Amino acid sequence: EAGVVQSPRYKIIEKKQPVAFWCNPISGHNTLYWYLQNLGQGPELLIRYENEEAVDDSQLPKDRFSAERLKGVDSTLKIQPAELGDSAVYLCASSKRDRGRVGELFFGEGSRLTVL
Amino acid sequence: GEDVEQSLFLSVREGDSSVINCTYTDSSSTYLYWYKQEPGAGLQLLTYIFSNMDMKQDQRLTVLLNKKDKHLSLRIADTQTGDSAIYFCAEKGYSTLTFGKGTMLLVSP
Repeated sequence: EAGVVQSPRYKIIEKKQPVAFWCNPISGHNTLYWYLQNLGQGPELLIRYENEEAVDDSQLPKDRFSAERLKGVDSTLKIQPAELGDSAVYLCASSKRDRGRVGELFFGEGSRLTVL
Repeated sequence: GEDVEQSLFLSVREGDSSVINCTYTDSSSTYLYWYKQEPGAGLQLLTYIFSNMDMKQDQRLTVLLNKKDKHLSLRIADTQTGDSAIYFCAEKGYSTLTFGKGTMLLVSP
């Protein structure tokens, strides 16, 4: 079974430029998450999708961040314009409703963003 | 609100036992988890415990839960160099997981 796939793995941009990250979840997983992980910190939820619906985006800075999950499968996370403080790892995760393993998230390897 | 606290660093010798501690604040958490993150990789679920349990053992891993003190621990027996990683404690709140800052475990030969 293929895991969660993210791209690009690394991205270096200048501030004020736009950037986009892509995520392909595990097949059959209806829930998709975007997490932000700053250096030395744990992941913090940005947005959670149930199928194509964003059900929790309270921590997403909507002035510059946007996300979409068309057709309830792949998802993209966009930042426009990027700021220096956005340098971090952006993690995508997916899960399925499973009574036996509630809360088991499967993570991708992450997209490391450096803003210069 | 939900908050998860962990010690930041632990160093042990190969073959010793490692104990990583965590405190959480949400008494309504139904599940508590331990995730492992190796360098350059995403997080991987190691084990979890349901809130009505006190202990769970899974091969070299032992999870202890003290609900009264909201304290969770992960014990790794016979720690190996391959166990070197960052370990995250997480609690399941209303809709998703809240992670601690992670404990970096360094295992020396």
